[in-house]
Amino acid sequence: KAGVTQTPRYLIKTRGQQVTLSCSPISGHRSVSWYQQTPGQGLQFLFEYFSETQRNKGNFPGRFSGRQFSNSRSEMNVSTLELGDSALYLCASSFRLEETQYFGPGTRLLVL
Amino acid sequence: DAKTTQPPSMDCAEGRAANLPCNHSTISGNEYVYWYRQIHSQGPQYIIHGLKNNETNEMASLIITEDRKSSTLILPHATLRDTAVYYCIVRVAPNTGNQFYFGTGTSLTVIP
Repeated sequence: KAGVTQTPRYLIKTRGQQVTLSCSPISGHRSVSWYQQTPGQGLQFLFEYFSETQRNKGNFPGRFSGRQFSNSRSEMNVSTLELGDSALYLCASSFRLEETQYFGPGTRLLVL
Repeated sequence: DAKTTQPPSMDCAEGRAANLPCNHSTISGNEYVYWYRQIHSQGPQYIIHGLKNNETNEMASLIITEDRKSSTLILPHATLRDTAVYYCIVRVAPNTGNQFYFGTGTSLTVIP
């Protein structure tokens, strides 16, 4: 079974731009969570989706948003990029809520 | 709030057992202990999880104390490929969603 895939793997943007990252969960998984990882803050929870509904949200500004499609694929969007948004963005999927999460390889975003 | 405490770093000789401790003194009765590891900014890899009883799989063993306030991850025969940051995570209670709070983890170095 294929693992979680994330596209693109690397991305360079400039301040003020917006970016959309994509995540395809493991086949059959219906829950998708997103995390941001930076050297200073470590791994931080962004939000979680299940059956196209956001079930939980971390402590991030409204510039960070996401959605989930009927096929469980998910996207996250960051608008008005700031230098501090440079990070590794990780997606994780699980079969259901409250079950083991499996992570993708991440998208490394650099904001210049 | 990560809810877990781990030593920042540990060394282990190749071929020996690596014992990684974790303190989770505020764990609730229905919260699971999960272990993940992350190798050089790849996506975290699931290792094992447990609730009360000790658990073993092909990768590791998890020993949870009777009062559930601490646990130990055991890699029985550490190899150089086990060098990674190991995260001990207490999964937030089911009613609040499937969040994983990652702490700073333990950086394990396996020495030849």
